Amino acid sequence: EVQLVESGGHLVEPGGSLRLSCAASGFTFSSDDMNWVRQTPGKGLEWVSYISSSGSIIYYADSVKGRFTISRDNAKNSLSLQMNSLRAEDTAVYYCARRSTRSRAFDIWGQGTMVTVSS
Amino acid sequence: DIVMTQSPDSLAVSLGERATINCKSSQSVLYSSSNKNYLGWYQQKPGQPPKLLIYWASTRESGVPDRFSGSGSGTDFTLTISSLQAEDVAVYYCQQYYSTPYTFGQGTKLEIK
Repeated sequence: EVQLVESGGHLVEPGGSLRLSCAASGFTFSSDDMNWVRQTPGKGLEWVSYISSSGSIIYYADSVKGRFTISRDNAKNSLSLQMNSLRAEDTAVYYCARRSTRSRAFDIWGQGTMVTVSS
Repeated sequence: DIVMTQSPDSLAVSLGERATINCKSSQSVLYSSSNKNYLGWYQQKPGQPPKLLIYWASTRESGVPDRFSGSGSGTDFTLTISSLQAEDVAVYYCQQYYSTPYTFGQGTKLEIK
């Protein structure tokens, strides 16, 4: 079964750090570009970051640039998001999502992990 | 950044009737070299992640019922549900994946009238 499972979401104080992980299974992870997308409670979807299949190309939303770092370990079928200098506005459900090589759209999504930034 | 604007924000349609959701991008998402629109439609039900319904603006993802269809090109796109079923109650988002940041529309909440 094709699956993405996020973990690492937690309550953290403003200015703190958190590392999210996404475990992939059921497909050739090393062949696919990956993304992080977040959704604030009751609000819409915001793309956060992209990493190419090899890890050589990386993009960030302006809202997280310089604070978040995306990475991947193809040997472990794992995607990560290191989040530093967290702010209240980073509070959201964070999803990892695969970018399909066929359609280029985001065809596989995890169930999400909740990050709450609050004192 | 490409801004995606959906209309309406919410929609109530009777069972069996047609539902139409519009999406407009602030610049074209048509890749001239491939003649493909880098535009997708997603369905999100409460407590679930988004689910890809349509890609390339008009191609249904595998397993998606044929009552869902997408149309449009360039900057103006439409998602149509030909005969609304109870299980179609959800929020629908369009997304451009033409260039980063890969922006989403604000969402359209679809309910039963």
